[in-house]
Amino acid sequence: DVKVTQSSRYLVKRTGEKVFLECVQDMDHENMFWYRQDPGLGLRLIYFSYDVKMKEKGDIPEGYSVSREKKERFSLILESASTNQTSMYLCASRRDRLSGNTIYFGEGSWLTVV
Amino acid sequence: DQQVKQNSPSLSVQEGRISILNCDYTNSMFDYFLWYKKYPAEGPTFLISISSIKDKNEDGRFTVFLNKSAKHLSLHIVPSQPGDSAVYFCAARPLGGALNFGKGTSLLVTP
Repeated sequence: DVKVTQSSRYLVKRTGEKVFLECVQDMDHENMFWYRQDPGLGLRLIYFSYDVKMKEKGDIPEGYSVSREKKERFSLILESASTNQTSMYLCASRRDRLSGNTIYFGEGSWLTVV
Repeated sequence: DQQVKQNSPSLSVQEGRISILNCDYTNSMFDYFLWYKKYPAEGPTFLISISSIKDKNEDGRFTVFLNKSAKHLSLHIVPSQPGDSAVYFCAARPLGGALNFGKGTSLLVTP
């Protein structure tokens, strides 16, 4: 079974703080993704990575950056948190671009920015 | 611009009846379509998928239908059970690309 682990389930941060959301997968997947889920807006892609040290912007990358130094770990960084970044953040992974169609999600990280 | 659209934010169905969740897409390059189910405070879990070369895929109580000419897919759940109450996300991707998700449909199955 694929396991995607998000290190923090619930966080409360202050406006302007730097926030790190960590995600680790244990199935040697090449591709990893960060989404956020908001009521009425569904799942929106922030950033993704096809392999180590690679990153691609998704639909809503503004205010975020990512880091993929190791294959199993994909970090989402909020350089200066703002209240409109209060959301549920979901990490996901996929075996690779060509043969892996299904992506597997972690349990989510609830971030509140006050 | 939303490339995957779920126009019904919510649906209520009686237990034992059929649930039909609909999804439309705009990108003709999409070649793979998936449905995910999500309970509150949990990550989405994969439910069923269909390749663009097929028009139907069945897995137990769940069937996905794809109409490429109409750029439309639907998920049928029969019979519906109270445990099926969740938010269902339709997703689609071009070959090798990232998944695009719809906004979700909240299904409530009442006893």
